[in-house]
Amino acid sequence: EAGVVQSPRYKIIEKKQPVAFWCNPISGHNTLYWYRQNLGQGPELLIRYENEEAVDDSQLPKDRFSAERLKGVDSTLKIQPAELGDSAVYLCASSLRQGLNTEAFFGQGTRLTVV
Amino acid sequence: GQQLNQSPQSMFIQEGEDVSMNCTSSSIFNTWLWYKQDPGEGPVLLIALYKAGELTSNGRLTAQFGITRKDSFLNISASIPSDVGIYFCAGQVTGRRALTFGSGTRLQVQP
Repeated sequence: EAGVVQSPRYKIIEKKQPVAFWCNPISGHNTLYWYRQNLGQGPELLIRYENEEAVDDSQLPKDRFSAERLKGVDSTLKIQPAELGDSAVYLCASSLRQGLNTEAFFGQGTRLTVV
Repeated sequence: GQQLNQSPQSMFIQEGEDVSMNCTSSSIFNTWLWYKQDPGEGPVLLIALYKAGELTSNGRLTAQFGITRKDSFLNISASIPSDVGIYFCAGQVTGRRALTFGSGTRLQVQP
């Protein structure tokens, strides 16, 4: 079974430029998460989707970040314009909403460097 | 928001030694998960715990869900070089499906 697929793996952009990340979750997983991981820290939630609905986006900086999950499968996360402080690893994860199950499976992440 | 205190921050041990790390919180968690992250990769799930007092093993790894529901520990027995990496605890509180992560324990194993 294929895992969570993210692209690109690496991205280097100049500040004020836009950038987008793409995620394909595990087939059948209705919950999708975007996390941001700063160097030396654990992942922090940006947004959670249940199917195509964003149900937890309180940590998403909405002035410059946006996300969508059309048709409840793939998702994109966009930053416009990027700032130096956005440099981090952006992780996508998915899980199957089933009872108490909260086991999230992560992709390899996209390492963003803003210069 | 919820905070998880994970300790130790780093460990340097000899191959064959046992390792123990733990996570504590001021909040009650319904679920505790332990992940391992290798450089340049995403976290990989090791063990999931759903009940207070639960003790679960996965090979040489053993984790427990604390009775108070505010802590969890992970033990690795007879460490090997491939155990090197960063171990994260993660917890889920009532009403919030997303996980809160600790800051990680960096493990280095000397062959």
